[in-house]
Amino acid sequence: AQRVTQPEKLLSVFKGAPVELKCNYSYSGSPELFWYVQYSRQRLQLLLRHISRESIKGFTADLNKGETSFHLKKPFAQEEDSAMYYCALSGAGSYQLTFGKGTKLSVIP
Amino acid sequence: DGGITQSPKYLFRKEGQNVTLSCEQNLNHDAMYWYRQDPGQGLRLIYYSQIVNDFQKGDIAEGYSVSREKKESFPLTVTSAQKNPTAFYLCATQDRYYSGNTIYFGEGSWLTVV
Repeated sequence: AQRVTQPEKLLSVFKGAPVELKCNYSYSGSPELFWYVQYSRQRLQLLLRHISRESIKGFTADLNKGETSFHLKKPFAQEEDSAMYYCALSGAGSYQLTFGKGTKLSVIP
Repeated sequence: DGGITQSPKYLFRKEGQNVTLSCEQNLNHDAMYWYRQDPGQGLRLIYYSQIVNDFQKGDIAEGYSVSREKKESFPLTVTSAQKNPTAFYLCATQDRYYSGNTIYFGEGSWLTVV
């Protein structure tokens, strides 16, 4: 069985402070990990995926297989980063995504 | 983004009535999904379809039904058997050939049972 855990329901940070949204997963094989974001009044959209190893809107995420984590980080938070963030996992040979319960990020001006 | 259209955006239903939520896509994606989003619960998979005329139950399929008669369409029926139908419903598509496991979402439909 595969599981994604986002331990924080809500995370509040000040503008300019570093951000780390935690994501831990449980999966026996080699997973593919994603971060999705939902801004207010917008549809859920892909932020980044670990195989791309890219930085989107200043966010990065590194897959740590030893710690089974895929934390999302940004060095300096901006007000426009306020949104709901979901971590998701896809197992090898499966196209379905398992989502975490989400973390609401609030950036305080 | 505009390639996935969900309707209606808001829907009210009386208890005991069935209701159908529409999902249409023009992205030519093979796979389509229905998720339910509740506060604090994240996204939970209701049904999915990988090809036309085939669909599979997800984690919370009880009280729901779907059909996939056309590649472009994947309607979801919320039946009176669904005990707690008030929720936000998201339709999604997936194109495995060009974007791997990336899933694209519609804007969602709010269903309220009154």
